[in-house]
Amino acid sequence: GAGVSQSPSNKVTEKGKDVELRCDPISGHTALYWYRQRLGQGLEFLIYFQGNSAPDKSGLPSDRFSAERTGESVSTLTIQRTQQEDSAVYLCASSFTSGYSGELFFGEGSRLTVL
Amino acid sequence: DQQVKQNSPSLSVQEGRISILNCDYTNSMFDYFLWYKKYPAEGPTFLISISSIKDKNEDGRFTVFLNKSAKHLSLHIVPSQPGDSAVYFCAASSNSNSGYALNFGKGTSLLVTP
Repeated sequence: GAGVSQSPSNKVTEKGKDVELRCDPISGHTALYWYRQRLGQGLEFLIYFQGNSAPDKSGLPSDRFSAERTGESVSTLTIQRTQQEDSAVYLCASSFTSGYSGELFFGEGSRLTVL
Repeated sequence: DQQVKQNSPSLSVQEGRISILNCDYTNSMFDYFLWYKKYPAEGPTFLISISSIKDKNEDGRFTVFLNKSAKHLSLHIVPSQPGDSAVYFCAASSNSNSGYALNFGKGTSLLVTP
């Protein structure tokens, strides 16, 4: 497809389990972002990748969260030992560059529910 | 702390009338502002933006106004249509952010009634 693709669209897990969320950015987009939206909240920045540069992890809420990206392709967000407060929609976005246009293209999100 | 604030969680407007969505920000370093629109079960989509060197940007039915002294911006939709019913997020960025990562408000849910 032409848009940002995320999987799974829905994930229900038990507290303490690990989860992995996947993002396929738009082809050619060098910048990739992960955000999350908890219920009633705005979009919260988590992590940013730009090409082969070291990612900016300043938004990750704890060391249980990590993300990887291979080159300018797929990214995975991993949450270890999930907690109930991790329940949220995790949104991936990509853009052509890290430039100033600000226009990010979002996927439909992965809804995570931690029981 | 919430640097971008949308204090109205919801707004209801009649079809054909003007919708005004408001947004306030606290970080004076922000110099680029955007509005995103989000339908249920979909990701946000870009709607309109404005640079801090301008005070108005218009695109069809959508106009964004920026008042830097008040750290306030607003989105005007005229005339409003039922298809405009969605959640609208205000976002801001600055060149001090990582890759111009956007700071988002909590969103305003707009309902346009026929």
